[in-house]
Amino acid sequence: AAGVIQSPRHLIKEKRETATLKCYPIPRHDTVYWYQQGPGQDPQFLISFYEKMQSDKGSIPDRFSAQQFSDYHSELNMSSLELGDSALYFCASSQQGAFRTQYFGPGTRLLVL
Amino acid sequence: AQSVTQLDSHVSVSEGTPVLLRCNYSSSYSPSLFWYVQHPNKGLQLLLKYTSAATLVKGINGFEAEFKKSETSFHLTKPSAHMSDAAEYFCVVSDPGTNAGKSTFGDGTTLTVKP
Repeated sequence: AAGVIQSPRHLIKEKRETATLKCYPIPRHDTVYWYQQGPGQDPQFLISFYEKMQSDKGSIPDRFSAQQFSDYHSELNMSSLELGDSALYFCASSQQGAFRTQYFGPGTRLLVL
Repeated sequence: AQSVTQLDSHVSVSEGTPVLLRCNYSSSYSPSLFWYVQHPNKGLQLLLKYTSAATLVKGINGFEAEFKKSETSFHLTKPSAHMSDAAEYFCVVSDPGTNAGKSTFGDGTTLTVKP
């Protein structure tokens, strides 16, 4: 079965640079979620989109932005990167419905030097 | 508002013995509850989910969990641990009543399985 695809899988950037992470949801899933998991931490919700509109916002820094496109893929744009942004970034997708089980991608590991 | 508490940060069992990972939740709505497993340097994999149907939920790899509303608990169990079960386990609550159904994760429980 098709799963959530994230690219790139690994990314190394320097401070103050920008990064773009991409997420391709499971086919027919209309909702995308972004999470940040720091070393030894549980995943923290950043932001979500439903039908290309932002549907919820969590602890996403102002330096980050995201959007969902017409083909339902999503991109997380990160600017003015800081050392503390080094983390594993997960994307999850779900289908509209009462229970919205989220299926996670493999994650993008970002290292900021 | 929703929250989830995993009562043990580390659990260590011997191979072949039962596993119990404890989770308590709070939610303003009738929540959906999930257990995810994360192996080292891997993504999150759904083990099982409770969505207001049967209170005893069976998942993959022999795991199951029981939803107890009176105790606001959703503990994860397995009758016999296997070495491959060693991983981080997250209990997750999601309020269907919110617009996006965002999930809140517990802090995680590290399961160690001794030979």
